[in-house]
Amino acid sequence: EIVLTQSPATLSLSPGERATLSCRASQSVSSYLAWYQQKPGQAPRLLIHDASNRATGIPARFSGSGSGTDFTLTISSLEPEDFAVYYCQQRSNWPPGFTFGGGTKVEIK
Amino acid sequence: QVQLVESGGGVVQPGGSLRLSCAASGFTFSSYGMHWVRQAPGKGLEWVAFIRYDGSTKNYPDSVKGRFTISRDDSKNTLYLQMNSLRAEDTAFYYCAKDRSGTYYFDDWGQGTLVTVSS
Repeated sequence: EIVLTQSPATLSLSPGERATLSCRASQSVSSYLAWYQQKPGQAPRLLIHDASNRATGIPARFSGSGSGTDFTLTISSLEPEDFAVYYCQQRSNWPPGFTFGGGTKVEIK
Repeated sequence: QVQLVESGGGVVQPGGSLRLSCAASGFTFSSYGMHWVRQAPGKGLEWVAFIRYDGSTKNYPDSVKGRFTISRDDSKNTLYLQMNSLRAEDTAFYYCAKDRSGTYYFDDWGQGTLVTVSS
């Protein structure tokens, strides 16, 4: 099973600052990685798929990069609504398995 | 727009069974693969089951294989999760999620239904 490790566990930043979140895979997942945002009491929302492609309706301040085992989600300038938990997710071709990282909480400093 | 509404959660004793439903609307249900994803209270996300758009393929992680069964009824635009031999560690919010066009990413989610396994 491919394990995804996210760091840091918590990121304390102020609105307007840049957020850089990391996701590392235990083996290569090529570019088959997604990022989700989850706010308290809500379902997750797809932000980025295939490592760097923004999902429909996602603001340009969200960007993803990386391939292989190391991936980054960047929020260029934090808006108040961006404070949430972020998860990465990989999908491997065979055996079909979809695993998530443990999450990074972006909190207001 | 896409709507996914889960139901069927509740409290069940260890070893018991429960069937979750997910009513879909706002898209052509029969054209999309569907997933179940769960989240224990205060914890992270865990994928639980996948069914291909035509029902020909079903996949599960080892943690639920042999105990959970995913199915769909395209005539009712409804996804199901039959859960048997439930354990305390199955306690979680269960979300249904639409697959993003065969990519195994989850691009629309329901609001979740809570399953509590407790004596």
